[in-house]
Amino acid sequence: DARVTQTPRHKVTEMGQEVTMRCQPILGHNTVFWYRQTMMQGLELLAYFRNRAPLDDSGMPKDRFSAEMPDATLATLKIQPSEPRDSAVYFCASGFGVSTEAFFGQGTRLTVV
Amino acid sequence: GQQVMQIPQYQHVQEGEDFTTYCNSSTTLSNIQWYKQRPGGHPVFLIQLVKSGEVKKQKRLTFQFGEAKKNSSLHITATQTTDVGTYFCAGDFYLTQGGSEKLVFGKGTKLTVNP
Repeated sequence: DARVTQTPRHKVTEMGQEVTMRCQPILGHNTVFWYRQTMMQGLELLAYFRNRAPLDDSGMPKDRFSAEMPDATLATLKIQPSEPRDSAVYFCASGFGVSTEAFFGQGTRLTVV
Repeated sequence: GQQVMQIPQYQHVQEGEDFTTYCNSSTTLSNIQWYKQRPGGHPVFLIQLVKSGEVKKQKRLTFQFGEAKKNSSLHITATQTTDVGTYFCAGDFYLTQGGSEKLVFGKGTKLTVNP
């Protein structure tokens, strides 16, 4: 049963520390999305890649966030340095483009204290 | 920027009652997708609407896309406790500048069902 895998599922870190979240998209999918979910803002698109190339990262605070796809089986989202306001659930999703069904991972619940 | 407004934010119903959530965009959408997120879970795709005025049904769920492709609704007939969760619409905006696309989620409607 193909699914998007995210690690870690939970992360508690101290303010100022670097956080790396990882995502393994479904094999064969050419589009990978990173979303952040909070009670206040809902689901926000941070960035997305097509064929490993970044297409849109306008939703991502560039000073501290970075997203990469080292290869087709791995997408990473890094926050450095982390801040308490970064506390949220971060979802990775993959699919065959923006206009088609996105398959979401289980998410990484990040708490920055 | 692109925004999709979704109402209501919360809806509490008695089991057996109907439920509707609405989404609205100020600009024309390429298509609209609907997702459901169970408590503690992740969004799961329900359906995509592409054509103006399109209506699709999935058992007790009816999805509509407006004629102008700016609004959409999800209607659940005779809710059950298994319908509990947050329902999101996601509007697909085609950005003429740059020719890119962007999927923007509404804030969701949280449905609770009293048995």
